[in-house]
Amino acid sequence: DQQVKQNSPSLSVQEGRISILNCDYTNSMFDYFLWYKKYPAEGPTFLISISSIKDKNEDGRFTVFLNKSAKHLSLHIVPSQPGDSAVYFCAASPTGKLIFGQGTTLQVKP
Amino acid sequence: EAQVTQNPRYLITVTGKKLTVTCSQNMNHEYMSWYRQDPGLGLRQIYYSMNVEVTDKGDVPEGYKVSRKEKRNFPLILESPSPNQTSLYFCASRGDHPPKTQYFGPGTRLLVL
Repeated sequence: DQQVKQNSPSLSVQEGRISILNCDYTNSMFDYFLWYKKYPAEGPTFLISISSIKDKNEDGRFTVFLNKSAKHLSLHIVPSQPGDSAVYFCAASPTGKLIFGQGTTLQVKP
Repeated sequence: EAQVTQNPRYLITVTGKKLTVTCSQNMNHEYMSWYRQDPGLGLRQIYYSMNVEVTDKGDVPEGYKVSRKEKRNFPLILESPSPNQTSLYFCASRGDHPPKTQYFGPGTRLLVL
């Protein structure tokens, strides 16, 4: 029973364009959502988060949108850069635990 | 530098040979956790610890043990490894305040033959 789903295993975009990564969840009790970025041979690193009481959080080129009625969140990267090429995991937090999606591999082409 | 360290980074072993993967954090975090990453499944929690001497099962605890005798250390023990425990393992620690960011170690790649 996958409570957090990333239905796109991979995404390829051109440098300078927008990257949109999507994530769906099933449990309306989740109170925080987070995005992690992972390079090969490294551990995941925290990227951005959003509380369930908000619908948008922005940090530089990264913006996370939360649609609670649809149980959907998305990560927008604008403009995309080749260094953004990595695996992106979304995660939901029910009372401190993290539940991860399967990950989406983003490739940004020069 | 604030960090989570894991050792070893790579390990090849044989079925049934007990092994321990160490994890240490220098951020004075109370919460620590172990995950495994498998293709198509993302990261799944094995065990977690809310504080010293307090541990609990995550989503995939079978075949694993943990201990938390000190705040900074949280070793993962495989008493009798099997090939289905071949995976990439991550240790993580977390502070007490939102947004509940977890800091991950660099990972341990385990192959059980």
